[in-house]
Amino acid sequence: DQQVKQNSPSLSVQEGRISILNCDYTNSMFDYFLWYKKYPAEGPTFLISISSIKDKNEDGRFTVFLNKSAKHLSLHIVPSQPGDSAVYFCAASPLVRRLTFGEGTQLTVNP
Amino acid sequence: KAGVTQTPRYLIKTRGQQVTLSCSPISGHRSVSWYQQTPGQGLQFLFEYFSETQRNKGNFPGRFSGRQFSNSRSEMNVSTLELGDSALYLCASSPGLAGVSETQYFGPGTRLLVL
Repeated sequence: DQQVKQNSPSLSVQEGRISILNCDYTNSMFDYFLWYKKYPAEGPTFLISISSIKDKNEDGRFTVFLNKSAKHLSLHIVPSQPGDSAVYFCAASPLVRRLTFGEGTQLTVNP
Repeated sequence: KAGVTQTPRYLIKTRGQQVTLSCSPISGHRSVSWYQQTPGQGLQFLFEYFSETQRNKGNFPGRFSGRQFSNSRSEMNVSTLELGDSALYLCASSPGLAGVSETQYFGPGTRLLVL
């Protein structure tokens, strides 16, 4: 079963606008959530994380929101830049170092 | 600090052979995890090592194994290679503190092609 789902395989936005990437999970044991950015044939680069005791975490242009009751999290990128174009993975883990990843969303930011 | 390093970056093997991949974690990190990325299955957890012991294991056959050395460096081995083992193998490290959620930092990966 797919415990972490990213339902949008792709997203296209204009430079300067907001990008919103979404992720849903089913496992109630997940208590730590992360977003990674990835280019082909490279390792994922950590962007931002959030613990289940919080509902929002910000780091510069990146903000992650967590809605535990809906088992939903989202990543907001404001303003979006062409260099943000990549595949974004949502990942979740219980209190052990075992990440479960979503399928990824290809973000394209058009100049 | 230097990041996670993996060697080799690219590897070509034939079916039936075995392969060993290496990972050096970020200095001070004691937990090393391995993941496999394929187009069909996405990113999947293989196993995690801490203090030279396997602490967590994913749903992969016994042909996939690993070990960790006293300096926290880790190797993973795949025996009797199959075509479906062609993938990007990623290593990630984290401090390894007990009872704490941690961010894992990934290396660049080893691209394995099985012919």
